[in-house]
Amino acid sequence: GQQLNQSPQSMFIQEGEDVSMNCTSSSIFNTWLWYKQDPGEGPVLLIALYKAGELTSNGRLTAQFGITRKDSFLNISASIPSDVGIYFCAGDYSGNTPLVFGKGTRLSVIA
Amino acid sequence: EAGVVQSPRYKIIEKKQPVAFWCNPISGHNTLYWYLQNLGQGPELLIRYENEEAVDDSQLPKDRFSAERLKGVDSTLKIQPAELGDSAVYLCASSLKSGGAVFFGPGTRLTVL
Repeated sequence: GQQLNQSPQSMFIQEGEDVSMNCTSSSIFNTWLWYKQDPGEGPVLLIALYKAGELTSNGRLTAQFGITRKDSFLNISASIPSDVGIYFCAGDYSGNTPLVFGKGTRLSVIA
Repeated sequence: EAGVVQSPRYKIIEKKQPVAFWCNPISGHNTLYWYLQNLGQGPELLIRYENEEAVDDSQLPKDRFSAERLKGVDSTLKIQPAELGDSAVYLCASSLKSGGAVFFGPGTRLTVL
């Protein structure tokens, strides 16, 4: 099946620092989605990307759909304690196939 | 607008017992998904519905798992009998259509003893 490599697996950063995480795929994707999951909750959609090269922001979050359509990154600027959680990338390589998820990046913010 | 609703939020059962989970998707969303999430992993698809039709159930263990979405709105996922390895979070999600943004419910955390 399709594989998504998400890195890093975990990060410990100081409050106020910027964060970057990325996902790569073995296949070309049509859609990239980024989610945040808090303990005991379902994943919450942060940003959706639908076109190669697309750069989209949501507050302090910025995500890009790679030109090759095989990768995507998520940046968080000026991190705050509530950014703590697990961030998942997900991709869809066809409108008729299910999302494939990465294994997540666990973010810890030290105040 | 209400999000995806799931119940129960938590369930503890003994092995070999049956269990059922219920999901109500976002209003107007034709596509409904059931995902399984094990600890430390990303969600994995169990079944996908387009309206009332199951269009992708290749990952559903059909010997013990079943699902239905009779009227193309809410859905039920059942496990009978449950095994120890079924302990996980069961997530329901929905989207306007396949290929669009997918929105998740809070999940049901199942513990099988």
